[in-house]
Amino acid sequence: EAGVAQSPRYKIIEKRQSVAFWCNPISGHATLYWYQQILGQGPKLLIQFQNNGVVDDSQLPKDRFSAERLKGVDSTLKIQPAKLEDSAVYLCASSRGQGTGELFFGEGSRLTVL
Amino acid sequence: QQPVQSPQAVILREGEDAVINCSSSKALYSVHWYRQKHGEAPVFLMILLKGGEQKGHDKISASFNEKKQQSSLYLTASQLSYSGTYFCGTATSGTYKYIFGTGTRLKVLA
Repeated sequence: EAGVAQSPRYKIIEKRQSVAFWCNPISGHATLYWYQQILGQGPKLLIQFQNNGVVDDSQLPKDRFSAERLKGVDSTLKIQPAKLEDSAVYLCASSRGQGTGELFFGEGSRLTVL
Repeated sequence: QQPVQSPQAVILREGEDAVINCSSSKALYSVHWYRQKHGEAPVFLMILLKGGEQKGHDKISASFNEKKQQSSLYLTASQLSYSGTYFCGTATSGTYKYIFGTGTRLKVLA
């Protein structure tokens, strides 16, 4: 079974530029999560999808971050414009259901904002 | 809102035991435990569903007290490979919103 795919692995941008991250979950996994992990901290939930509907996006800075999951499969997280404090690893995870199964993580996308 | 873990950090010698606690202010549907090594994604250890169950895997076990919204992870006879940061992951009852705890850094010394 193929794992969760994320790209790009690394991205360096200047502040005020834009960036997009892509995630393809494990086939058949209905729930998809985007987390932001700043160095030394735990993963912070940005947005959680169930199929193509949003379960929670209360921690997503909507003035600059957006995410979509068209057709309930792969997902894109966009940041525009980026700020220095957005430097972090962006982790995508998927699970078969909500709350009852383990989360499978991608390798993460490391963003550096200069 | 983020589940609070204690202790924040712990240093052990090989063979010693440790307990990591996770406490939530929200009613929980399930608790998961993960270990993350530096530069890697979190790795799943185990899941506990509400019902007060206790699970074990080799020398690592956990319990979940749904009335107190608390879970504990027990590491016995620790090995060098246990080093890393441990996170509890919690699914809130009703919404199934999935968030991680504050983390516990564990280091096992030879």
